Amino acid sequence: NAGVTQTPKFQVLKTGQSMTLQCAQDMNHEYMSWYRQDPGMGLRLIHYSVGAGITDQGEVPNGYNVSRSTTEDFPLRLLSAAPSQTSVYFCASGSGQGGLDEQFFGPGTRLTVL
Amino acid sequence: GNSVTQMEGPVTLSEEAFLTINCTYTATGYPSLFWYVQYPGEGLQLLLKATKADDKGSNKGFEATYRKETTSFHLEKGSVQVSDSAVYFCALRNTGFQKLVFGTGTRLLVSP
Repeated sequence: NAGVTQTPKFQVLKTGQSMTLQCAQDMNHEYMSWYRQDPGMGLRLIHYSVGAGITDQGEVPNGYNVSRSTTEDFPLRLLSAAPSQTSVYFCASGSGQGGLDEQFFGPGTRLTVL
Repeated sequence: GNSVTQMEGPVTLSEEAFLTINCTYTATGYPSLFWYVQYPGEGLQLLLKATKADDKGSNKGFEATYRKETTSFHLEKGSVQVSDSAVYFCALRNTGFQKLVFGTGTRLLVSP
């Protein structure tokens, strides 16, 4: 049982490049979400999903896209990277009905946009 | 709206000292309250939680009591260890919603 896995661990992009951050969980959780962590700002919700085929915006969705084709995977796409997207990104999945119990976090992806 | 306010860090203590990290919240309804811990280079882990007023969450020697009258959920530990050095996040989730709202985090540094 690997929990929540994220790849890559580190990534450097140039402004304007695109990439996908991968997230997978093997706990059969319906709820998954993406956060970004910036100094002095805690974690802010980017997008979330309550099940396969269903996604919704969080607090800071601009510049990011998501899809949820399977229960296990929830990739985050940066369409045209900007320096303001330099951050640490965490994926989480939630247990309990609708994710209302504990949420489990992946180890994070540290992204630098030059 | 919902928000969480934590004391600014870093909090620097010697081993075996008493720890308090303050957390207050603003929320509509009756939220559940959480403390998460982030060790260096890792993701967040749930440390403890409380789901209603006057509940006390506890784990690994840490405790926090849900105080509705003061809208607070302060984290305490009687005797910290070097291994407790980490960043601690207070968070809330409103009833029926999955979204967590986090505070800015408080870094704890414990020296031998």
